[in-house]
Amino acid sequence: EAQVTQNPRYLITVTGKKLTVTCSQNMNHEYMSWYRQDPGLGLRQIYYSMNVEVTDKGDVPEGYKVSRKEKRNFPLILESPSPNQTSLYFCASVNLKGGLTGELFFGEGSRLTVL
Amino acid sequence: AQSVAQPEDQVNVAEGNPLTVKCTYSVSGNPYLFWYVQYPNRGLQFLLKYITGDNLVKGSYGFEAEFNKSQTSFHLKKPSALVSDSALYFCAVRVYGNNRLAFGKGNQVVVIP
Repeated sequence: EAQVTQNPRYLITVTGKKLTVTCSQNMNHEYMSWYRQDPGLGLRQIYYSMNVEVTDKGDVPEGYKVSRKEKRNFPLILESPSPNQTSLYFCASVNLKGGLTGELFFGEGSRLTVL
Repeated sequence: AQSVAQPEDQVNVAEGNPLTVKCTYSVSGNPYLFWYVQYPNRGLQFLLKYITGDNLVKGSYGFEAEFNKSQTSFHLKKPSALVSDSALYFCAVRVYGNNRLAFGKGNQVVVIP
């Protein structure tokens, strides 16, 4: 089954404690992206990756890091989480054939609370 | 910069009535337009897209949308709403040559039995 898998789905942590949210896709997609969803703000892009070792900032990259060492994985790293990073996070991927006209496949989301 | 506006926070409609969710966009080139739906505690699911060609596009679950270049709109429609259509709907836009996808704030649709 084609899917994007995120872990953990739920996490409560404290300010400053480094954490990583993993994302893996099994569709051999080149493009992967992280979004955060906040009430009244919709989805905002954090980082995206066009392929292995190619990453770029989205609209709200501050406080986040990413890496793309393998095509299937795109972890989101919060080096020193703060309460304003409390949010619902989504990973998504898409096939680049057709020049980014394809639809995104989303993971189920990771709800992060930073105390 | 590309952007999307979904002017209504919530749309209430009676079951069986037509459903419309509005979306307008702002881009500096030719847009690629998408609609996604999010059910409670789930990720977003693709509904339909406009890339080129016929302005009226049909998608999943009986939804359709009309691309209107002069009004820069891409409204989502369904002729007869179901209670199961109650969800959060997102409009999104990408510009050719741009690697980023901009989402709107989302519209909560409530279908009343």
